[in-house]
Parts: sequence; structure tokens; C-alpha cells
Amino acid sequence: DGGITQSPKYLFRKEGQNVTLSCEQNLNHDAMYWYRQDPGQGLRLIYYSQIVNDFQKGDIAEGYSVSREKKESFPLTVTSAQKNPTAFYLCASSINGMNTEAFFGQGTRLTVV
Amino acid sequence: GENVEQHPSTLSVQEGDSAVIKCTYSDSASNYFPWYKQELGKRPQLIIDIRSNVGEKKDQRIAVTLNKTAKHFSLHITETQPEDSAVYFCAATDSWGKLQFGAGTQVVVTP
Repeated sequence: DGGITQSPKYLFRKEGQNVTLSCEQNLNHDAMYWYRQDPGQGLRLIYYSQIVNDFQKGDIAEGYSVSREKKESFPLTVTSAQKNPTAFYLCASSINGMNTEAFFGQGTRLTVV
Repeated sequence: GENVEQHPSTLSVQEGDSAVIKCTYSDSASNYFPWYKQELGKRPQLIIDIRSNVGEKKDQRIAVTLNKTAKHFSLHITETQPEDSAVYFCAATDSWGKLQFGAGTQVVVTP
């Protein structure tokens, strides 16, 4: 369904622990994105990558890290430095990242207790 | 970098009436403006998009207009139906390929 898969759907972690969210796509897309969605705040860009082995910070990158070692994969690590990590995280991909449709995964709801 | 502002944050319309959502952007080099619909508990999905070389685009009951000079674009939904109830996001791609979204509009269509 859509060719972009996020796992897991729900994730619970204790405060102070790092956690990695998975995002895989089989659409042969060059560009991939991570967004955080909080109620009433829309989709805020965390990191984006236009090509393998390259990525750029978005508006709220502090406390997060990413890697793009393979075209298909763009994992997001939520570190203990992120002050308020409980949120809904969405991954997306697009063909070229410039003027083409972005396809979203189903999202991961992270709860830190 | 690009900044996208979206209004209103909530919109309640009677079934059959029209709904209009407006967005502004800051980067004059932006050239792609998609609109996404997100139903409760689901992922955002593209409903229509427009590129900077076009002023208006229509797809059945949905239309988007773009004013590059004023740096604003709008979504128009005509003959609204209950299934149009959702959160709608506008977005813009800046010159670096960043896809930035507005804060969203909660549309409620009442029968």
C-alpha cells in the first residue's frame, strides 16, 4: 500500500532511552523526509534527504539524528536530548524532492514514559 | 527558508456549500504547491497540486489557484459532502527541495 512502510506502528520507550524509527520504501524514490505531527501544529520537518549519503536538517532537528546509507531506507533516531519526544512521526518519499508528489507511510506513534 | 502559513485553522460548512482554504509562502523560488487531505487516523494523501507555471488547476469539485506575485495559493472545494470532512494541509517546496507544510485546516461538513 503506497510502497512506503514505517515500523512499528506504536512504540513505547522509557525516558532517557534512544529509539530508532524505521522507514523503508520500494518506490525507487530519491528523496525522503521525516515529519513530526502534534495536534494543531501540522507537519513539522525534522530531516530530509535528496539522495543517498546526504541529508539536511529541517526546522526541528534538535534531538534527532538520521542516516541514508541506502536509497530505500531512512531511519530516524530519537535521542534522549529530545525534550518532548512523544508524538506521531511520519515518513515520506518523492521521486526527486523538487516538484513531485510525496507519499507518506502510515506513521509511528511514539510514547515516552 | 520557506515558511508556509495556512488559514483558517478550522472551517465548518453546510453540506453543499463551498469551502476555501488559503495559504501564503515566503520563498519566491518555490515552484511546487501540493495539497494533502488527512482523514482521522490515516496518512496524508495528495488531492491536487499546482506548479508555478500554472495559475489555476481543477479536478472535479476541487480547484487550486496560485498567485505568484502575491505568494499565495488557495484550495476551493465546491458542493461539499460529509466525506470531505478531514484535515487539509497546503505545502510548498523551496529552492533546496524542502517540502514545508502549513499548520492544517480542520474542515467539518455538516449535513
